[in-house]
Amino acid sequence: DQQVKQNSPSLSVQEGRISILNCDYTNSMFDYFLWYKKYPAEGPTFLISISSIKDKNEDGRFTVFLNKSAKHLSLHIVPSQPGDSAVYFCAASAFYGGSQGNLIFGKGTKLSVKP
Amino acid sequence: DADVTQTPRNRITKTGKRIMLECSQTKGHDRMYWYRQDPGLGLRLIYYSFDVKDINKGEISDGYSVSRQAQAKFSLSLESAIPNQTALYFCATSDFKSGSKQYFGPGTRLTVL
Repeated sequence: DQQVKQNSPSLSVQEGRISILNCDYTNSMFDYFLWYKKYPAEGPTFLISISSIKDKNEDGRFTVFLNKSAKHLSLHIVPSQPGDSAVYFCAASAFYGGSQGNLIFGKGTKLSVKP
Repeated sequence: DADVTQTPRNRITKTGKRIMLECSQTKGHDRMYWYRQDPGLGLRLIYYSFDVKDINKGEISDGYSVSRQAQAKFSLSLESAIPNQTALYFCATSDFKSGSKQYFGPGTRLTVL
């Protein structure tokens, strides 16, 4: 049973336009969400996160939106650049036992930004 | 120098062989993790350790074992490798203060023939 779902395996966007990557989750106990970016032959790197007490977090060209009622989050990249071409993983965790629990990852979305 | 290193970076082995993947970190983190990535399946947790004396199974621990030799070192072993263990393996670290944010190594590409 997949708790974190990224239903789009791939996304192609023109340079300069907006990229929107989506993620859905089923576990209502999740209270912290992260996006990781992964280039080929490298490990995933942290991109941006959001706590469940917020509905938006922005860092430069990257904004994450959280809709708790819909159990949905999205990552917006504006404007998209060719260097953004990578696989993006959505991840979630829940707080229990006095600390934040392990990350549950989605399957990833491969973003291609075309010049 | 990288904060999280993995050796080897690439390995080809044969079915039935024992193999060890190693992870070292200089971040001073107490928590370490092993994941595998398969095409279309994302990252799945194999084992994790919150300190030297604490080892826990993850989602897909069957066929794997781990050893936390020191706070900075966490190794993953395949006692008898099989072809469906062909995958990318990542080590990651975190600490209590960073919460869920984990820092990943560059990965090991393992092929079992």
